[in-house]
Amino acid sequence: QVQLVQSGAEVKKPGASVRVSCKASGYTFINYHIQWVRQAPGQGPEWMGIINPNGDRTDYAQKFQGRVTMSSDTSTRTVYMDLSSLRSEDTAIYYCARTYTSRDPFENWGQGTLVTVSS
Amino acid sequence: EIVLTQSPGTLSLSPGERATLSCRASQRVTSAYLAWYQQKPGQAPRLLIYGASSRATGIPDRFSGSGSGTDFTLTISRLEPADFAVYYCQQYDRSPGTFGQGTKVEIK
Repeated sequence: QVQLVQSGAEVKKPGASVRVSCKASGYTFINYHIQWVRQAPGQGPEWMGIINPNGDRTDYAQKFQGRVTMSSDTSTRTVYMDLSSLRSEDTAIYYCARTYTSRDPFENWGQGTLVTVSS
Repeated sequence: EIVLTQSPGTLSLSPGERATLSCRASQRVTSAYLAWYQQKPGQAPRLLIYGASSRATGIPDRFSGSGSGTDFTLTISRLEPADFAVYYCQQYDRSPGTFGQGTKVEIK
């Protein structure tokens, strides 16, 4: 079955960077995009960006331009999301999700990774 | 970007009752690109409805979606205990994809 397994919780100080990974299994990796959303406490999800499975094309939300980098390693079936210059407002649960194209609903999700930014 | 406004913020109902949740978009959304999700505490959202009215795999038929243009509705015909959760709408018509702020369906 399709599984997206994310890395564990992180605690970071303001100004630091964080890397969250998303390891895929149960399907043909190169056929599906991975999208990233985050969810702050008590809020709705917020779209961050999308990466194609080969890792050669990305599209980031304007809000995160310059701070986010998404990458893909087809040999390990793992996608990474790096977020830099962290601030307290970045405290949230970060999710990866699988979609066939950029205009498909999020049918499969990772379990989420809590990133806490605190001094 | 397209802003999705969900109402009401909280819906207090009893098991067996009908729930009607609203999602209003700030711009027209092509129906094919409107989805609804259910989220329970500590879990990722789960896809319920896509294309405004198509049920995702394994979703019971008490869940239905309707609407077009800027107004969309999720209806739960008879609430079961497992249905008490937070529901989000999402548009994936135009980038950036956006979500509503959610409607919490709680036990009355």
